[in-house]
Amino acid sequence: RKEVEQDPGPFNVPEGATVAFNCTYSNSASQSFFWYRQDCRKEPKLLMSVYSSGNEDGRFTAQLNRASQYISLLIRDSKLSDSATYLCVVLRGGADGLTFGKGTHLIIQP
Amino acid sequence: DGGITQSPKYLFRKEGQNVTLSCEQNLNHDAMYWYRQDPGQGLRLIYYSQIVNDFQKGDIAEGYSVSREKKESFPLTVTSAQKNPTAFYLCASSIVGHYGYTFGSGTRLTVV
Repeated sequence: RKEVEQDPGPFNVPEGATVAFNCTYSNSASQSFFWYRQDCRKEPKLLMSVYSSGNEDGRFTAQLNRASQYISLLIRDSKLSDSATYLCVVLRGGADGLTFGKGTHLIIQP
Repeated sequence: DGGITQSPKYLFRKEGQNVTLSCEQNLNHDAMYWYRQDPGQGLRLIYYSQIVNDFQKGDIAEGYSVSREKKESFPLTVTSAQKNPTAFYLCASSIVGHYGYTFGSGTRLTVV
């Protein structure tokens, strides 16, 4: 099982719709979790951290289920500018930092 | 403004040549990282450093070398021993123990 697995998509979604991404991780000792956004041919940028209690930032909601080793990202009222690749990211616990999933490609259609 | 700068943006290398990618940050971050990204793939860790004059191998260090002589700088050398060097290389920095990484804009290396 890969360390961090995501559905690569692409997800083609009409503007204004709600879209959800899922991610699973294999290391039960993983400590912290994040979603990064990466635009085409650009560097990744931190979108939000993911907490056990769930957290929300505007139209974005992240959830963590430690028992199932599962992370989700929900985007409400999607905008054209949300089109990007969303990377699920896990902190393994060592000094070597973050492990990145391959990303889920989202395309918002007008 | 503080940030992290990678140069050059595009780099072409002949087979058998070594090439060095620059990464400089003025964020006063102790930790710096090099990742490689191939099309349709996730980021893979090459090397990382948490303090000056110390660095550690990541998951795919073979064929690469780094140095950390200054806090601000973490250059990556892609050696001729790296058999498939064509990729997008990303440098990142963070405060040790914090994981909101700041990434540079990347260097696209192509072997011709």
